[in-house]
Amino acid sequence: AQRVTQPEKLLSVFKGAPVELKCNYSYSGSPELFWYVQYSRQRLQLLLRHISRESIKGFTADLNKGETSFHLKKPFAQEEDSAMYYCALYSGGSNYKLTFGKGTLLTVNP
Amino acid sequence: DTEVTQTPKHLVMGMTNKKSLKCEQHMGHRAMYWYKQKAKKPPELMFVYSYEKLSINESVPSRFSPECPNSSLLNLHLHALQPEDSALYLCASSQVTGPHEQYFGPGTRLTVT
Repeated sequence: AQRVTQPEKLLSVFKGAPVELKCNYSYSGSPELFWYVQYSRQRLQLLLRHISRESIKGFTADLNKGETSFHLKKPFAQEEDSAMYYCALYSGGSNYKLTFGKGTLLTVNP
Repeated sequence: DTEVTQTPKHLVMGMTNKKSLKCEQHMGHRAMYWYKQKAKKPPELMFVYSYEKLSINESVPSRFSPECPNSSLLNLHLHALQPEDSALYLCASSQVTGPHEQYFGPGTRLTVT
């Protein structure tokens, strides 16, 4: 069965510092991986998808199949990055299910 | 229109009430979802509809009854809820054939008294 692990429940950094939110997955096939972000009092929104290898709001994430990881990185954190971040895996098939990690609450201090 | 909308934003109901949550999207997505989210927790999947047919029920109690009247609308009918059902209820939609990212509505904050 698929599983997504985000080992850090809380992560606190200072403004301008690099930030890395960890995500490891367990799945035997070829997964689709996503990062979602939920700012305070806002909807859950898609931040990144591994397929498009894009950079959004300065964040990047690379799929490492050898380490089964999809860590989210930003070289210089901003206070507005403070939010809950969820890594999610789509495992294919006809069930259309996303498996979410437990989330990491990122706080960027001034 | 690239948004999922949900009504109402807030709902307070007693344990004997019957109410409904509504969700709408006009992105042409043929998969729609109901999730329950507690504070600081990830969304928990409740139901999945694909092509207007129920494809997944994650062992949700029968006091929650989903309905998909057409490809743009999704309802969740509530009856005889318990206080522990108080949560944020999220609707989402996605393409069926991919890519498979889901687009979420803002949610309905439900309080059961």
